[in-house]
Amino acid sequence: DIQMTQSPSSLSASVGDRVTITCQASQDISNYLNWYQQKPGKAPKLLIYDASNLETGVPSRFSGSGSGTDFTFTISSLQPEDIATYYCQQYDNLPQRYTFGQGTKLEIK
Amino acid sequence: QVQLVESGGGVVQPGRSLRLSCAASGFTFSSYAMHWVRQAPGKGLEWVAVISYDGSNKYYADSVKGRFTISRDNSKNTLYLQMNSLRAEDTAVYYCARDHPGYYDSSGYYYVPHAFDIWGQGTMVTVSS
Repeated sequence: DIQMTQSPSSLSASVGDRVTITCQASQDISNYLNWYQQKPGKAPKLLIYDASNLETGVPSRFSGSGSGTDFTFTISSLQPEDIATYYCQQYDNLPQRYTFGQGTKLEIK
Repeated sequence: QVQLVESGGGVVQPGRSLRLSCAASGFTFSSYAMHWVRQAPGKGLEWVAVISYDGSNKYYADSVKGRFTISRDNSKNTLYLQMNSLRAEDTAVYYCARDHPGYYDSSGYYYVPHAFDIWGQGTMVTVSS
């Protein structure tokens, strides 16, 4: 099974800061890596798919990069409404299954 | 608007069964693969199961294989999760989610991201004696 290691598990930053979260796969997953935002008490929301594609309607301050085993999620200028937990998610087709990272809880400093 | 609404959650004793439903609206349900994803209290997300658009293919997480069954009724625009032999560790909010429809790049190639683009609000399942 492919393991996903997401870091850090928590992060405190100031409004306007550049924030970076990483996700590492235990083996090559090409670009099958997606990023979600989950606010407390709410369902997750897809932000980035296939490592670097911005989902429709998502602000451009969110971005993703990487391929193979190492991936990065970036918020270019942190806004108060970005306070949430962020998850990476990968897809494996042999057998078909989906795995989430452990999550990164983002707080305002 | 595009919407998924789960129902059927509740409190159930260990070893008993429960069936969750997810009503879809605002899109052509029969064209999309659908998933169940769960989240234990205070924990992260765990994918549970997926069913193809026509119900012909189903895949499960190892943690639920042999106990849970995913199904769909395209005539009713509804997704189901039959949960048998429930355990305390199945306690979670259960979300249904739509498989991303895919996209074309600038060269005209079609890709399927294997992402979850639409989510329901979730239904809570508590397994306790």
